Amino acid sequence: KQEVTQIPAALSVPEGENLVLNCSFTDSAIYNLQWFRQDPGKGLTSLLLIQSSQREQTSGRLNASLDKSSGRSTLYIAASQPGDSATYLCAVQFNDMRFGAGTRLTVKP
Amino acid sequence: NAGVTQTPKFQVLKTGQSMTLQCAQDMNHEYMSWYRQDPGMGLRLIHYSVGAGITDQGEVPNGYNVSRSTTEDFPLRLLSAAPSQTSVYFCASTQVGVGLDGYTFGSGTRLTVV
Repeated sequence: KQEVTQIPAALSVPEGENLVLNCSFTDSAIYNLQWFRQDPGKGLTSLLLIQSSQREQTSGRLNASLDKSSGRSTLYIAASQPGDSATYLCAVQFNDMRFGAGTRLTVKP
Repeated sequence: NAGVTQTPKFQVLKTGQSMTLQCAQDMNHEYMSWYRQDPGMGLRLIHYSVGAGITDQGEVPNGYNVSRSTTEDFPLRLLSAAPSQTSVYFCASTQVGVGLDGYTFGSGTRLTVV
């Protein structure tokens, strides 16, 4: 059974810092890994999708990496802003999609 | 292009009542699924479907039924609501197998059972 773990559960940083969110999964047989953002009381917004054959994806200040053999992914956020405050979820897809519990990020002005 | 549409957005039920959460997608995705999200537990898979006429159970299927008569629609039924089913429910869709586009989520239904 696929287990997805995200560390840390919560993170608070001052504005402007670069930060890394971690995601690990137990079964390397995946089609892809997806990072989502969720604002309080809202739905999920897809940030980055990494196919199993890829090593990383970039979008603006976000960079996600994937090491399938070790069961790890990282989401790197450069020059963090208060607007980045949200919960970040990673999910791995094979026959279905399994989620981590998320990292709640607070960026202080 | 509406994506994934969920209705209602909010619902309050009494214990023992039944209801159906609606989910529709207009992207011709074969795969659809239902998740529930509880505080501190992430999203857990309830049921999923890989195409019309085909459904299967996820991690937490008890108390829920689904059917898939069309590609577009994937309703979730609560036959006899219990307070433990108070949660936020999300519907999602994607292409089958490779998931080239990843998952698209609806905006959620916040359900309270009293």
